[in-house]
Amino acid sequence: EDQVTQSPEALRLQEGESSSLNCSYTVSGLRGLFWYRQDPGKGPEFLFTLYSAGEEKEKERLKATLTKKESFLHITAPKPEDSATYLCAVGGGSNYKLTFGKGTLLTVNP
Amino acid sequence: GAGVSQSPSNKVTEKGKDVELRCDPISGHTALYWYRQSLGQGLEFLIYFQGNSAPDKSGLPSDRFSAERTGGSVSTLTIQRTQQEDSAVYLCASSLETGVRDTQYFGPGTRLTVL
Repeated sequence: EDQVTQSPEALRLQEGESSSLNCSYTVSGLRGLFWYRQDPGKGPEFLFTLYSAGEEKEKERLKATLTKKESFLHITAPKPEDSATYLCAVGGGSNYKLTFGKGTLLTVNP
Repeated sequence: GAGVSQSPSNKVTEKGKDVELRCDPISGHTALYWYRQSLGQGLEFLIYFQGNSAPDKSGLPSDRFSAERTGGSVSTLTIQRTQQEDSAVYLCASSLETGVRDTQYFGPGTRLTVL
């Protein structure tokens, strides 16, 4: 059974204070690792897909990396508008469902 | 273009009543997924459609839950004889195809409260 564990559960940063969120996973035959952002009362918003170990993707202040056991979402010089819950999910094997972690609640104070 | 839409956005019902939740996927997307997000829990897969057929119903928690999709587009998730433990946000997602790497795009969700 696929499993995803995200840490920390919550993270509070000052504006400009860089940090990283962790996503550890076990999956049979990784076909993709997905990062989403979720704002209160809204559905998850797609950020990145990573397919193989060593892959990296960037978007504005966010950079996602992938190893064989975990993924990191690095946030550089965050702003208050980066405050949200960040969700990690994996797709594995031949099925099409995603298995999600419980998320990291990020708060960036001005 | 338009994203995934869901209706209603909020639904309050009494225990034992039936409810229907609707999902309109992104135009042209052939795959459609339903997930449930409970307080303090991660998103939980419920069911997946390819066209109008549902090859994977493995996530439906009980036989009170059913879903259908018509015309390869709109989907309805029905919960019969609702229970308080059914209270959650129900999220719908769609993807262009069912290729193993296709990105799933989510709607805003329907918040269901069972009193």
